[in-house]
Amino acid sequence: QQQVKQSPQSLIVQKGGISIINCAYENTAFDYFPWYQQFPGKGPALLIAIRPDVSEKKEGRFTISFNKSAKQFSLHIMDSQPGDSATYFCAAKAAGNKLTFGGGTRVLVKP
Amino acid sequence: GAVVSQHPSRVICKSGTSVKIECRSLDFQATTMFWYRQFPKQSLMLMATSNEGSKATYEQGVEKDKFLINHASLTLSTLTVTSAHPEDSSFYICSASSRGQEKLFFGSGTQLSVL
Repeated sequence: QQQVKQSPQSLIVQKGGISIINCAYENTAFDYFPWYQQFPGKGPALLIAIRPDVSEKKEGRFTISFNKSAKQFSLHIMDSQPGDSATYFCAAKAAGNKLTFGGGTRVLVKP
Repeated sequence: GAVVSQHPSRVICKSGTSVKIECRSLDFQATTMFWYRQFPKQSLMLMATSNEGSKATYEQGVEKDKFLINHASLTLSTLTVTSAHPEDSSFYICSASSRGQEKLFFGSGTQLSVL
């Protein structure tokens, strides 16, 4: 059972454009929602995270939007750059439990 | 952010041999470490969770006798793939967290190729 569904699987965006990745979850016990960036052959790196008592969090060009009632959250990458080309994973965690990852989104930013 | 060091980054071995992968937390005490497996173009699959000084908890379908995990100290966990076979070829990633902290920090991964 996939508890965190991520879409799209892949995304192509022009340099300077906005990349949007969406995730939906089922478990209402989840209370921590991080996003990770992974380059080929490397481990995931924490990008930004949010808790459900906040509807939006922004760090630089990265913004998480969170809709608790819809059980959905999304990552927006503003002014996308070729260096942002990577695979992005959303994840969710309940207190004291392990992370559950989404399926990943491969983002390609064309110059 | 916290640093998790994983070695080796790449290993090639013959079928039937055992391979050990190390995961170290360099600047914090890792009370819990996780081991993941990732196939090409797929998400991370949790294999096991280990708490310092305790036996690892394996996910369903993961053979504990094949994937030996040791978490003997607050800074080191090891994964040993015993009697490796070609189907064990994969990208293995560790991660670590400290008590009371929700952030999880990942190692750089180990690409295992079994010939």
